[in-house]
Amino acid sequence: NAGVTQTPKFQVLKTGQSMTLQCAQDMNHEYMSWYRQDPGMGLRLIHYSVGAGITDQGEVPNGYNVSRSTTEDFPLRLLSAAPSQTSVYFCASSYSSTNEKLFFGSGTQLSVL
Amino acid sequence: GESVGLHLPTLSVQEGDNSIINCAYSNSASDYFIWYKQESGKGPQFIIDIRSNMDKRQGQRVTVLLNKTVKHLSLQIAATQPGDSAVYFCAESPLSRGAQKLVFGQGTRLTINP
Repeated sequence: NAGVTQTPKFQVLKTGQSMTLQCAQDMNHEYMSWYRQDPGMGLRLIHYSVGAGITDQGEVPNGYNVSRSTTEDFPLRLLSAAPSQTSVYFCASSYSSTNEKLFFGSGTQLSVL
Repeated sequence: GESVGLHLPTLSVQEGDNSIINCAYSNSASDYFIWYKQESGKGPQFIIDIRSNMDKRQGQRVTVLLNKTVKHLSLQIAATQPGDSAVYFCAESPLSRGAQKLVFGQGTRLTINP
């Protein structure tokens, strides 16, 4: 049981490049979400999904796209990376969509030059 | 607007002492509260949670206290150990929102002195 798996662990992009951060969970969790963590700040919600085929915006969705084609996977796409997107990204999941503890992945450290 | 904040950004305690980490929240509609521990280079790890129909909950060496009157949450760690050194985050989520949208505080760094 691997829990929440994120890849890659580190990534450097140039401004304007695109990439996808991968997230997979093997716990059959209904709810998945993406957070970003910036120095001196708490985690901020980017996008979330309450089930396959259903996604919604969080607090800071601009510049990011998501999709949920399967229960297990929830990739985060940066279409045109900007330096403001330099951050640590965490994927998290929980059994249900209503106030359950989140299980976090180990994070992806992204630098946009 | 709603926010979750911490009284102290850093806390230093002696090994073996008890630690108390405080958190203030502003959204009176918050129904669910949770504490996470984050070690350097790792993702947040669940410690303990509490719902608004309770004012205290205990786990292994940890206790969470909720005071809804003053919108205050605290995490107590008994007999602090070196492995407790980490950043601790509180988070809250209002049940009225339906789908979970945890709002995190900025975190408190706990340092254990030998």
